[in-house]
Amino acid sequence: GAGVSQSPRYKVTKRGQDVALRCDPISGHVSLYWYRQALGQGPEFLTYFNYEAQQDKSGLPNDRFSAERPEGSISTLTIQRTEQRDSAMYRCASSLAKGIPYNEQFFGPGTRLTVL
Amino acid sequence: QKEVEQNSGPLSVPEGAIASLNCTYSDRGSQSFFWYRQYSGKSPELIMSIYSNGDKEDGRFTAQLNKASQYVSLLIRDSQPSDSATYLCAVKRGLTEGNTPLVFGKGTRLSVIA
Repeated sequence: GAGVSQSPRYKVTKRGQDVALRCDPISGHVSLYWYRQALGQGPEFLTYFNYEAQQDKSGLPNDRFSAERPEGSISTLTIQRTEQRDSAMYRCASSLAKGIPYNEQFFGPGTRLTVL
Repeated sequence: QKEVEQNSGPLSVPEGAIASLNCTYSDRGSQSFFWYRQYSGKSPELIMSIYSNGDKEDGRFTAQLNKASQYVSLLIRDSQPSDSATYLCAVKRGLTEGNTPLVFGKGTRLSVIA
């Protein structure tokens, strides 16, 4: 079946512009996670949702970052007034249901954001 | 101390040998542990999950968990050049049964030499 999809795959923007990154999880997956991955590092947690409810946004770097999942499926991560330090690979993952072993998370291809 | 620690490598093994990848974690209450494989320029791919002390085998892969020592390892038998990748250790945050984010190590780069 279809995996996690993300769009766009690449985004180049100018400093100060807003960007919206989209994630479409595996059909039926309850939980959706946003991570950011720097080169040579593991993914770093940003925020996550169970259904449409944002459970934890403690990993968002500052208030320029926000995320939503209004219908419990597709999610959008928005970065306002982008800065060069926001340049990174943004990864989305989803998992099926609560409880072991269903917390296995499956990643999408990522969105490479470059802020000029 | 970082939550999840891995030796960044590179770890070089000859083709056909056993590759041993190690990971330690700091949260003693952690319950779920995962190994992801990440090829250069690609996204992490889940290859093993383990929840109980002991060994779990899947094909050429064996995950080992020792909660008392807060240690997780991944063994790859009969290593192939196609196993060359970065291997990420991940630990589920929190003690609850519900879905929570993962904390990742920096990854160990494995190179299998033909």
